[in-house]
This record gives sequence, structure tokens and C-alpha cells, in this order.
Amino acid sequence: AQSVSQHNHHVILSEAASLELGCNYSYGGTVNLFWYVQYPGQHLQLLLKYFSGDPLVKGIKGFEAEFIKSKFSFNLRKPSVQWSDTAEYFCAVNARNTGFQKLVFGTGTRLLVSP
Amino acid sequence: DADVTQTPRNRITKTGKRIMLECSQTKGHDRMYWYRQDPGLGLRLIYYSFDVKDINKGEISDGYSVSRQAQAKFSLSLESAIPNQTALYFCATSDLRGESTGELFFGEGSRLTVL
Repeated sequence: AQSVSQHNHHVILSEAASLELGCNYSYGGTVNLFWYVQYPGQHLQLLLKYFSGDPLVKGIKGFEAEFIKSKFSFNLRKPSVQWSDTAEYFCAVNARNTGFQKLVFGTGTRLLVSP
Repeated sequence: DADVTQTPRNRITKTGKRIMLECSQTKGHDRMYWYRQDPGLGLRLIYYSFDVKDINKGEISDGYSVSRQAQAKFSLSLESAIPNQTALYFCATSDLRGESTGELFFGEGSRLTVL
């Protein structure tokens, strides 16, 4: 079964610092990859997704992620974080062998940005 | 108005009580899902449905049941609630027609506390 690992459970940064959150998945076949964000007290919203083409994906609010197939990774990056980026971030994957029908989530990374 | 609406948003109940969480959507998607979110565990799939006549168990279906009353409605029931079912529950929808990638669209969540 596919699984998703997010190794950083809690990250604390100062404003303007650079961010990289790790995400690795276990499935070796064709996958679609997602990053979702959950701001305090809110539901999950899509930040960005990869399904084909350029492995460097740009999302909303200055976030980007790079799909490295050989490393089974889809790390999330932002060059300069803001206080408003304080949130929990979830990596997720669905796979061709399930018809891309079931999204499996990582355990999340809680980011705190101090002003 | 939200495209995916959950009711109630908050509920406190006692052990042994029957609880129903309801979800309705206006996105016209065929696929609907119920996830629960627990701190440090991310989101875990409880049940999912690909159309009105299709119900599938997810990874943590024990203690839960669902009903797909219509294309737009998918309810989650706890027949006899227990304290370890205290969690934040999310309904989600997806559309795999055309170029869709299986991206999920989430409701705003239902926070359930079982005393």
C-alpha cells in the first residue's frame, strides 16, 4: 500500500527565512502529488499539485515543490516565509493503481513563523 | 456559500450515544469521502463512495457507518460513540472526469467530542 512520510513534524522559523518541508512516498508507479495547507481553525486548501510535465510546480502564495522521481520525493519550498504562513502542511499522493481515486496523506508538518 | 457543507460544525456527546455527521455538496462531483484528523496522525480515510450505489471502507472504518442518500449527500454515523472517536472529521469530494487529478475539495470540518 502506498504511504507518505513527512519527517518534520514541527518547524519554527523567523519571518523572511527560507522554508523546505520534506515529503517522501512509497509507491513506485505513476502518482499524482499534492500539498495542502490548513490555517488555524480552517479546512484544508490546495497549495499546489503535480500530475505531469515540469517537475517544478508553482503554487499559490509563493510556494513551489519539486517532484524528484528517483528519490520518491515532493518537497515543498518557499524562499521567504511570512507570519501568515503559520499553518499545518500536508503532503498527499494518489496512484494509478487505484485509479487516482484515494488520496493518502502524510502526518503533517506544523509550521510556526515568528514575526 | 461553501461548496462542501458539513453539519454540525461542533458537537459534544456522551459515550454510547448515536451521532450523525452530514455532508452536502454543490460541486456536482460523484466521489465523496469521510476523513478524520487527529494530532500527529494526519488525515485517515474512514469511508468513500464513488456514486449512490457504491460504498467502500477506508483504513479506519470500524465503529463507523455511512449512507449516500443522493449524489450530493453523504452522511457518517457513529452508532455508539466512544471517547477515542473524539476528532475533527472532514468530508471531501473529487471529480475524476476529464483532466481531473483526484484533487480533493474539503468541507470546513466537524469537531466531535465524546465524553
